[in-house]
Amino acid sequence: GAVVSQHPSRVICKSGTSVKIECRSLDFQATTMFWYRQFPKKSLMLMATSNEGSKATYEQGVEKDKFLINHASLTLSTLTVTSAHPEDSSFYICSASGQVGSGQGTDTQYFGPGTRLTVL
Amino acid sequence: AQSVAQPEDQVNVAEGNPLTVKCTYSVSGNPYLFWYVQYPNRGLQFLLKYITGDNLVKGSYGFEAEFNKSQTSFHLKKPSALVSDSALYFCAVRTSDTGGFKTIFGAGTRLFVKA
Repeated sequence: GAVVSQHPSRVICKSGTSVKIECRSLDFQATTMFWYRQFPKKSLMLMATSNEGSKATYEQGVEKDKFLINHASLTLSTLTVTSAHPEDSSFYICSASGQVGSGQGTDTQYFGPGTRLTVL
Repeated sequence: AQSVAQPEDQVNVAEGNPLTVKCTYSVSGNPYLFWYVQYPNRGLQFLLKYITGDNLVKGSYGFEAEFNKSQTSFHLKKPSALVSDSALYFCAVRTSDTGGFKTIFGAGTRLFVKA
């Protein structure tokens, strides 16, 4: 149990275009989803937290209008990078937490495989 | 402020030897502590967690971690390292905030296991 998928795994786009990344919890309902950004050889930087049906809570310094997050259902969250620029190139990782199995708590986050975005 | 520190950027160990990856934390209240492993170009895989109970926590792939409240540490250990254990390891602490929780990650420690 507790599988999180991301799509696409890799995307290359031109500067100025928008890119949507999907994150799905495959075998559990994700009440909370997190989006992280990871720079080469660096730790994960939390971008935003979203609860199903609510607006995302963004971390300080993360532009809400640039990184649009939607968490419309308990199994799907999307991150849209709008008007992407080369400095947005990074590895984006989503994470989900929720009731996994019977009797399992929601304290553990399960991570997707990541999406590598390259903006030319 | 709540934080997690991994003092070593890199740990080198020979295959078959025991390994330790260090982690210290600073949190208010009782800590929820986690270890994750990341392989190249992949997301993070959950290894183990400490919430309450026994200080020695056993996790996936033969890893274990010991919670030490007096030293505010949560070091990751394995009795006998494998080459396939070579990866990036993250210690994390869960913090509570208004509206829910979030997880703060350490900077990561790269483990190299030599054959």
